[in-house]
Amino acid sequence: DTGVSQNPRHKITKRGQNVTFRCDPISEHNRLYWYRQTLGQGPEFLTYFQNEAQLEKSRLLSDRFSAERPKGSFSTLEIQRTEQGDSAMYLCASSYFRDNTEAFFGQGTRLTVV
Amino acid sequence: DAKTTQPTSMDCAEGRAANLPCNHSTISGNEYVYWYRQIHSQGPQYIIHGLKNNETNEMASLIITEDRKSSTLILPHATLRDTAVYYCIVSLTGANSKLTFGKGITLSVRP
Repeated sequence: DTGVSQNPRHKITKRGQNVTFRCDPISEHNRLYWYRQTLGQGPEFLTYFQNEAQLEKSRLLSDRFSAERPKGSFSTLEIQRTEQGDSAMYLCASSYFRDNTEAFFGQGTRLTVV
Repeated sequence: DAKTTQPTSMDCAEGRAANLPCNHSTISGNEYVYWYRQIHSQGPQYIIHGLKNNETNEMASLIITEDRKSSTLILPHATLRDTAVYYCIVSLTGANSKLTFGKGITLSVRP
């Protein structure tokens, strides 16, 4: 297993366009998290799944954002009608549902909205 | 989740121990202390976690005070590759819930 994989690593898009990011978690992990990180700040929680169920969404996740995890495997994060303020690093993490286990993060997708 | 306070930055010499402090005075009895680090342009990396007892693994040691209001992450022999932002996080159930990151402490290891 090569760890958490995120694609693409970089994305440049024009304002108003839709973008979709993919995260492939570690295979036996049933929890998957999305975070967003802007320059100089720590990652901020967006949402998380246990298997295919989306259990929590942050207030940061506006109506333009949607995340899915069909069949409890990979996940996608879509941003519709992108704005310049959406420019950030989008990080995915996965963990196994068990007390006190650590989360493993991917390398992130850097989004630039021009 | 309880809030943590860390200095903004610190540095240490290569080969010396790096001691990174963290205050978490409002921690509750069932909250764990987690440390992650983030090397430039990479995702955060888990380092270590603990509840009450001191912990050690191949990367670092975690010293938690008896009242659990503060902790110190110790990198025993810092290398240039340890230059990163280190985040101290208090979490109710560890990775089973979201992690609330602050701004972390930037550790610079100098040659």
